[in-house]
Amino acid sequence: GDSVTQMEGPVTLSEEAFLTINCTYTATGYPSLFWYVQYPGEGLQLLLKATKADDKGSNKGFEATYRKETTSFHLEKGSVQVSDSAVYFCALRGNQGGKLIFGQGTELSVKP
Amino acid sequence: ETGVTQTPRHLVMGMTNKKSLKCEQHLGHNAMYWYKQSAKKPLELMFVYNFKEQTENNSVPSRFSPECPNSSHLFLHLHTLQPEDSALYLCASSREGPSTDTQYFGPGTRLTVL
Repeated sequence: GDSVTQMEGPVTLSEEAFLTINCTYTATGYPSLFWYVQYPGEGLQLLLKATKADDKGSNKGFEATYRKETTSFHLEKGSVQVSDSAVYFCALRGNQGGKLIFGQGTELSVKP
Repeated sequence: ETGVTQTPRHLVMGMTNKKSLKCEQHLGHNAMYWYKQSAKKPLELMFVYNFKEQTENNSVPSRFSPECPNSSHLFLHLHTLQPEDSALYLCASSREGPSTDTQYFGPGTRLTVL
C-alpha cells in the first residue's frame, strides 16, 4: 500500500541555518503531496502542497519540489527561525479512497 | 485558530470509565475525521464522516464509538479503554470528502488511560 517515510528526528539547528527534512513516498499512480506543521500544543496545519510532478509548493519561506523520478518531496528553508520549532509531517493523498497518509513526523528545534 | 475546536484538551481516565471527546467545526465543512497520534508513529486515520454518514472505519476496536449528529459536530465515545490507547486524538474537517480537499485540524485531546 501507499506509504510515506520521513527522516528521523529530532533535528536541532541554530537560528539562520539551512533546513532540509527528507521525505520519500511509495504510491501507485500520481499522488498529491503535502507538508503539514504542528506547533506545540496545536493541531496540524497545512504548510504547502504539490499536486503533480515537478510542482514546487512554497509558503512562509519553506519549499518542497515533487520529484517523481526519486519519489521524494523534501522540505527546505534557507534560514530557520526559533518560531519554526515544531513537528513537520509529510503526507500523500493517493488512490486508496483518497485519504491522507502521513509519515511519522520530524521534530525540529531551532536554538537562538 | 483553524476553526476546529476540541474538548476537553486533556483527559485522564481509568480503564472502566466512559467518556466522550467532542469536536466542533465552524467552517461549514461537510466531512469530519478522527485521527490517533501516538509518539514516533504516523497519524492513524480512525473514522471518516461525509455528510453525517460514516464512510470509513479503519478497523478501529469497538471500544471507540463515533457519533456525528450533524455536519458541524463529531464525538468519540470511549469505554473500557486500554493503556495503549493513550495518545493525542485529533479531529479534522474538510469542505468535501477526503479525496477532494485540504483538511483542517483541531488542537487535539491528550488522552491518558490509567
